[in-house]
Amino acid sequence: RKEVEQDPGPFNVPEGATVAFNCTYSNSASQSFFWYRQDCRKEPKLLMSVYSSGNEDGRFTAQLNRASQYISLLIRDSKLSDSATYLCVPRNSGNTPLVFGKGTRLSVIA
Amino acid sequence: DAGVIQSPRHEVTEMGQEVTLRCKPISGHDYLFWYRQTMMRGLELLIYFNNNVPIDDSGMPEDRFSAKMPNASFSTLKIQPSEPRDSAVYFCASRTSGETDTQYFGPGTRLTVL
Repeated sequence: RKEVEQDPGPFNVPEGATVAFNCTYSNSASQSFFWYRQDCRKEPKLLMSVYSSGNEDGRFTAQLNRASQYISLLIRDSKLSDSATYLCVPRNSGNTPLVFGKGTRLSVIA
Repeated sequence: DAGVIQSPRHEVTEMGQEVTLRCKPISGHDYLFWYRQTMMRGLELLIYFNNNVPIDDSGMPEDRFSAKMPNASFSTLKIQPSEPRDSAVYFCASRTSGETDTQYFGPGTRLTVL
């Protein structure tokens, strides 16, 4: 079973819209997560960390739901520049490598 | 900080040729990771090092793949002989140990094997 499952999309939304993606995880011991963003033909870059209390950074809000084992990412007032693939990654204990899924592709349309 | 540096950025080669990819991690980072990304399989971990020592190479697909880290500021991933199915983007990433465990990726090497 994969560590995380994400809807691959694409999610096509108009500029200004609010969009949300979920990411379900299999390891109930996972304490926190990362959301990475990967632009087309670029490397993944850290968007935000997600802890039990969630996290908010400007237009981006991430929540962790332990009971249902999913993490959500909400993007408000979508911009064209938000078009990218968003990858949900469990933050493992110790110093083990991050394991990435295929992510969710978002396309914001003018 | 210059970030993780990879070279070359693009490589086109013919089947059977040897390919060497290079990575310079962020100074002071003691972990280095090699990933491969394809449309079909996504981002896969190939191998990672801690303090220049290979820790887990179970993701290396075949004996044709090898990786070295002769010092803290340089690593190579070699494919010999290369095959068309090796065509992918190869990313190197680095991080420090401890609480701040964010991995930083290099820009990747786009490999095409004809």
